[in-house]
Amino acid sequence: GENVEQHPSTLSVQEGDSAVIKCTYSDSASNYFPWYKQELGKRPQLIIDIRSNVGEKKDQRIAVTLNKTAKHFSLHITETQPEDSAVYFCAASMEGYSTLTFGKGTMLLVSP
Amino acid sequence: NAGVMQNPRHLVRRRGQEARLRCSPMKGHSHVYWYRQLPEEGLKFMVYLQKENIIDESGMPKERFSAEFPKEGPSILRIQQVVRGDSAAYFCASSPPIWTASSYEQYFGPGTRLTVT
Repeated sequence: GENVEQHPSTLSVQEGDSAVIKCTYSDSASNYFPWYKQELGKRPQLIIDIRSNVGEKKDQRIAVTLNKTAKHFSLHITETQPEDSAVYFCAASMEGYSTLTFGKGTMLLVSP
Repeated sequence: NAGVMQNPRHLVRRRGQEARLRCSPMKGHSHVYWYRQLPEEGLKFMVYLQKENIIDESGMPKERFSAEFPKEGPSILRIQQVVRGDSAAYFCASSPPIWTASSYEQYFGPGTRLTVT
């Protein structure tokens, strides 16, 4: 089955800095890679995703890159703000009603 | 359009009792997934259902756990004879129909936090 590794487990940055979280996956058949943000005690929220037919996708301060050959994908957050503080999870699946395999999460702390 | 609904939000059960967790998908969604989250861990897939059908239950323990998604009403995850190790947050997610461009996106409910004493 699919295995997703996520690094780092914790990340502390100063407000305004950039943050990068990296994930690797094992199943070359995976072709859908979402990122979720989870605040303490809240539901995971889908913030951005990428499909295997593109290498990069951007949405305002958030971008995701995908390297299918190396089987890794990354989340980039620029100009971080304290409200970006949360746990971020990467996941992988095959498109079309397939289960998500999650990484263990990265706790991002943005200090003012 | 209401999001994914789950109830109860918090559930306390004594060892040996039964726990019933309910999930109502977003309007128009007919596919439901259940995930379990242990403290400081990622989400682990348990079961994937569509109306009146279990599509994939490979992540669900064979003993004591069952799930259903009837034609009418919410999806239910049932845990019989709960043990302390069942204490966790249980999230369900739903996804749009396969003919939509966003059929692969899963939207999560607020979760049910189960505590077994």
